[in-house]
Amino acid sequence: NAGVTQTPKFQVLKTGQSMTLQCAQDMNHEYMSWYRQDPGMGLRLIHYSVGAGITDQGEVPNGYNVSRSTTEDFPLRLLSAAPSQTSVYFCASSYWGLAGGGDREQYFGPGTRLTVT
Amino acid sequence: EDQVTQSPEALRLQEGESSSLNCSYTVSGLRGLFWYRQDPGKGPEFLFTLYSAGEEKEKERLKATLTKKESFLHITAPKPEDSATYLCAVQARGGRSASKIIFGSGTRLSIRP
Repeated sequence: NAGVTQTPKFQVLKTGQSMTLQCAQDMNHEYMSWYRQDPGMGLRLIHYSVGAGITDQGEVPNGYNVSRSTTEDFPLRLLSAAPSQTSVYFCASSYWGLAGGGDREQYFGPGTRLTVT
Repeated sequence: EDQVTQSPEALRLQEGESSSLNCSYTVSGLRGLFWYRQDPGKGPEFLFTLYSAGEEKEKERLKATLTKKESFLHITAPKPEDSATYLCAVQARGGRSASKIIFGSGTRLSIRP
């Protein structure tokens, strides 16, 4: 199993550009999430999904969109990049189970380092 | 609002010097508390899940404990390879919050040989 994969590893954008960060998992996990990590601020939840077709907002959703058309993929879209979105982005997945039961240990991808100039 | 606070922000220890990291949490009913290890330039790696006050889990030199308001990660006789950032996260029980897993800002641990 490849686990959780993210592409690209690095990206530089100009202010106002849009792009999609890709995330895929091959563990058949129902739950997937996106976090951003900034120095001294830990991981902050952007969006999450408890299954295909279901997404919801986390702590810091503004400026980001997500969709979940398949169990495997959970792309994160930046609509109009801003310097405040310079960060390291992590995608994670975990087993969710029926009605939210089961363990919640998350498996993280290697991250995408994004710089917006 | 669910909140997780970790202390200290950074900790430097001599090899073999035991210590503890703290994770204080505020959540409307705890479903689970998680500890992760993160090495520089990598994604977090899962260590433990704790579900109820009084529960303890161990892995090599690490032991995690849980009370109703906080969790401790005890490190016994650490080695330089234990150097990393340790993250704590919580999940609330029930309702919309049950789907969110919220992280603290982490403790950066350095072990000197």
